[in-house]
Amino acid sequence: NAGVTQTPKFQVLKTGQSMTLQCAQDMNHNSMYWYRQDPGMGLRLIYYSASEGTTDKGEVPNGYNVSRLNKREFSLRLESAAPSQTSVYFCASIASSGGAGETQYFGPGTRLLVL
Amino acid sequence: AQSVTQLGSHVSVSEGALVLLRCNYSSSVPPYLFWYVQYPNQGLQLLLKYTTGATLVKGINGFEAEFKKSETSFHLTKPSAHMSDAAEYFCAVSDQGTYKYIFGTGTRLKVLA
Repeated sequence: NAGVTQTPKFQVLKTGQSMTLQCAQDMNHNSMYWYRQDPGMGLRLIYYSASEGTTDKGEVPNGYNVSRLNKREFSLRLESAAPSQTSVYFCASIASSGGAGETQYFGPGTRLLVL
Repeated sequence: AQSVTQLGSHVSVSEGALVLLRCNYSSSVPPYLFWYVQYPNQGLQLLLKYTTGATLVKGINGFEAEFKKSETSFHLTKPSAHMSDAAEYFCAVSDQGTYKYIFGTGTRLKVLA
């Protein structure tokens, strides 16, 4: 049972390049999240998926798109990377769709550097 | 809108001393409350959480937190710090009926030998 996995672990992009961050969970969880972590700012929600086929914007969605490919996988795409998107990206999941005080399980993160 | 405030972005304690990390939330309706820990180059993992019931919550690694509604606080404590406690700690809240989790800006704990 691997929990939440993320690929790649580290990526360097040039401004304007595109890339997709992959996330998968093997816990049969319904809801999945993408956050970015920046120094002094905590974690900020980019997008959320309550269940397969649904996605919602979070606090900082601009410049990102997401796909909930199936129940296990939730990908984050940067269509045209900008230096402001240099960050550490975390994927997380919870068992149900309604939150209700459930524990979030986090992946190990993807460190992205945009030059 | 719900917000979370963690006082002190950096806290240093001596090994064996009390650890106290502060967290206050803004909601007038008690939310669900969490503390997560992040070790270097790792994801976050749950230390403890408050949903309902007893206001003193015990977590892993000897940590505990007390929900105080009158003070809108959920401070994290540990009686005796260990070198292995050095990490970044995040307080988070989740309102009832919502999927959103709001995180504080984090407190980096340093343990001095």
